[in-house]
Amino acid sequence: DIVMTQSPDSLAVSLGERATINCKSSQSVLWNSNNKNFLAWHQQKPGQPPKLLIYWASTRESGVPDRFSGSGSGTDFTLTISSLQAEDVAVYYCQQYYSTPQTFGQGTKVEIK
Amino acid sequence: QVQLQESGPGLVKPSETLSLTCSVSIGSISTQYWSWIRQPPGKGLEWIGCIFHTGSVNYNPSLKSRVTISVDTSKDQLSLRLSSVTAADTAVYYCARHAGDGYPYHFDSWGQGTLVTVSS
Repeated sequence: DIVMTQSPDSLAVSLGERATINCKSSQSVLWNSNNKNFLAWHQQKPGQPPKLLIYWASTRESGVPDRFSGSGSGTDFTLTISSLQAEDVAVYYCQQYYSTPQTFGQGTKVEIK
Repeated sequence: QVQLQESGPGLVKPSETLSLTCSVSIGSISTQYWSWIRQPPGKGLEWIGCIFHTGSVNYNPSLKSRVTISVDTSKDQLSLRLSSVTAADTAVYYCARHAGDGYPYHFDSWGQGTLVTVSS
């Protein structure tokens, strides 16, 4: 199984400031034949199901604000919220779909400082 | 916009079989992969398994001996059965759609989830 490890487990950021979440996979999720990273980011607000934010490591899902961005390749990835808003309080999960079983990071809880 | 709705008993006794259904709002169940994912209270997400409309399935090895996922294309439903449940199977169970076609890519739609509690 590919193990996904996120850091930090939680972070508190002031409104309008940048939030950065890291995700590391135990093996590369880069598919060489199409040069795509099989890595997604999901946001889960309290009492709600997860919601897709980013796929292919850096492609923003339709309707997702552009303050959310994803970067990285191979085994190291980052989700950045450029200017934290109150509605961004949530738990964020990275997920690999390179191989089965598909696996998730343990989650990073983002709060307002 | 596709909608997914999970349904089934909210309480299951230990050693019995958990059975859930996911109803898909639009008639596209025959074109993509579909998965079940679960989340124990206050914990992270665990992928249970996925199915294609052909019936081809792929299960998480950690649950494989107890899981059955099936699809009924005539009803636009997928089903989950988990046998010999214990308290460790208490979780919110989600169904989700994989984007694209022909491969279980990222999840692009999630159901609201249904809480299943295992208790006598």
